[in-house]
Amino acid sequence: GENVEQHPSTLSVQEGDSAVIKCTYSDSASNYFPWYKQELGKRPQLIIDIRSNVGEKKDQRIAVTLNKTAKHFSLHITETQPEDSAVYFCAAEDSGTYKYIFGTGTRLKVLA
Amino acid sequence: KAGVTQTPRYLIKTRGQQVTLSCSPISGHRSVSWYQQTPGQGLQFLFEYFSETQRNKGNFPGRFSGRQFSNSRSEMNVSTLELGDSALYLCASSLALGQGGAVGYTFGSGTRLTVV
Repeated sequence: GENVEQHPSTLSVQEGDSAVIKCTYSDSASNYFPWYKQELGKRPQLIIDIRSNVGEKKDQRIAVTLNKTAKHFSLHITETQPEDSAVYFCAAEDSGTYKYIFGTGTRLKVLA
Repeated sequence: KAGVTQTPRYLIKTRGQQVTLSCSPISGHRSVSWYQQTPGQGLQFLFEYFSETQRNKGNFPGRFSGRQFSNSRSEMNVSTLELGDSALYLCASSLALGQGGAVGYTFGSGTRLTVV
């Protein structure tokens, strides 16, 4: 089955800098990769996703890149703001069961 | 429209007891997935129900069980509680799981279970 690893576990950046979170997956047939943001005490919310037929997707300050050959995908946040502080989870869809397998999360802290 | 509703929000139980958590999906959603969230372990998949049938199961002991009713509401039960079961339990509903991403996959706010 699918296995997802996520790094780093914690990340501190200065406001205005960029942040990058990386994930690797094991199921070469996976073709859907969502990213979730979970603020303290709240539910995880989808912020961006990518399917295997594209290599990059952008939504304002957030972008996701996918390298199918290397089986890794990354979240890029530019011009970080204090409200970006949260835990971010990557996930990969298991190709056999379609369930989402999540990484262990990255706690991003944006320092004002 | 109403989101995914989980009840109760908080629960304190004693070791050895059992507990039942509830998840009401978004209207029209037929798939309900359950996750256990603990610090450092991320979201661990428990099981997924669709049309009252368990379709997927994670690697949890048999003390963890669930069911889904005809109105798509789902419950999960944990018997003989252990201290290590303390966690945030999240459910997510969608129209259905399917290749290329589940349509409308939305999380509830979770039930925080503390076992003492």
